[in-house]
Amino acid sequence: KQEVTQIPAALSVPEGENLVLNCSFTDSAIYNLQWFRQDPGKGLTSLLLIQSSQREQTSGRLNASLDKSSGRSTLYIAASQPGDSATYLCAVSGSARQLTFGSGTQLTVLP
Amino acid sequence: ETGVTQSPTHLIKTRGQQVTLRCSSQSGHNTVSWYQQALGQGPQFIFQYYREEENGRGNFPPRFSGLQFPNYSSELNVNALELDDSALYLCASSLAHSRDEQYFGPGTRLTVT
Repeated sequence: KQEVTQIPAALSVPEGENLVLNCSFTDSAIYNLQWFRQDPGKGLTSLLLIQSSQREQTSGRLNASLDKSSGRSTLYIAASQPGDSATYLCAVSGSARQLTFGSGTQLTVLP
Repeated sequence: ETGVTQSPTHLIKTRGQQVTLRCSSQSGHNTVSWYQQALGQGPQFIFQYYREEENGRGNFPPRFSGLQFPNYSSELNVNALELDDSALYLCASSLAHSRDEQYFGPGTRLTVT
């Protein structure tokens, strides 16, 4: 059974810092990994999708890497801003096409 | 905007009642998945429908059931509501292949009192 863990559970940083969020998964037989952002009480906004054959994806100030063999992914956020404050979730997709999510990292960027 | 819509936005029900939540997928997406997200946790997979047939189920009891229609809409039905069913319910649509990205709707917040 796939399990996804996100560390840390919560993170508070001053504006302008670069930061890294971590995600690990137990079964390396995945098709892809997605990073999502969730604002309080809202739905999920997809940030980046990495296919299993890829090593990283970039979008603006965000960069996500994937090491499938070790079961790890990182989300790097450059020059953080207060508007980046949200919960960040990673999820992996296997052959069953269901997504298995971590519990998220709650990020607060202080002005 | 993902092109996936859900209704209603919020819903309050009493324990023991039944509820139907609705989702409208992106046009052309023949797969829809439903997830339950309790407060402070990541979403949990309920089930998936592909071409109007259930195509996988998570660890949820049979009182959670669904339907998918040819017009890219779908329903999640929950019978005999329990207090622990209070959660955000999310639907996601995608093309059939596992490599395809899933697009999430804004969710329905269900409160059971």
